[in-house]
Amino acid sequence: GENVEQHPSTLSVQEGDSAVIKCTYSDSASNYFPWYKQELGKGPQLIIDIRSNVGEKKDQRIAVTLNKTAKHFSLHITETQPEDSAVYFCAASMNYGQNFVFGPGTRLSVLP
Amino acid sequence: DSGVTQTPKHLITATGQRVTLRCSPRSGDLSVYWYQQSLDQGLQFLIQYYNGEERAKGNILERFSAQQFPDLHSELNLSSLELGDSALYFCASSPYRGGGAGELFFGEGSRLTVL
Repeated sequence: GENVEQHPSTLSVQEGDSAVIKCTYSDSASNYFPWYKQELGKGPQLIIDIRSNVGEKKDQRIAVTLNKTAKHFSLHITETQPEDSAVYFCAASMNYGQNFVFGPGTRLSVLP
Repeated sequence: DSGVTQTPKHLITATGQRVTLRCSPRSGDLSVYWYQQSLDQGLQFLIQYYNGEERAKGNILERFSAQQFPDLHSELNLSSLELGDSALYFCASSPYRGGGAGELFFGEGSRLTVL
């Protein structure tokens, strides 16, 4: 089955700097890659996603890139703010949303 | 607010006991997923239901069972509880209809503590 790895497990950046989180997946049949943000005491919430027919997607300060050949995708957050501090999960799925497999998460801390 | 409601928010019980966690999906969503999140762990997929039928099963223990009712709410039953079952249990719903589910909408979770 699908296996998703995520690095780093923790990341600390200064406010205003950029943060990058990387994920790799094992099953070439996966075609949908969402990123979820989990704030303390809350459930995960989708922040951006990308499908396998697209190489990059951007939404304001957040961008995701996908390299299908290498089977890895990354989350890029620019101009980080304290409210970006949270745990971020990547995921991979087939059939654009069936059988989601999540990575282990990255705890991002943005220091003021 | 995701629109997904989970009850109870917190539950403390003893080993060997049985508990039921309840989830009401977003209005109109037919698919419900259950995930387990242990301390500092990722989201482990347990089971998915679609319109009352089991659609996919993950690493769900035999001591655990779930169902989705005609009104689309779902319950996760955990029995013969062990200390290691202490975790945050999330329910998520999506408009999955056999094709792409797209976004999962998560509830705020039920925190189970087994003493």
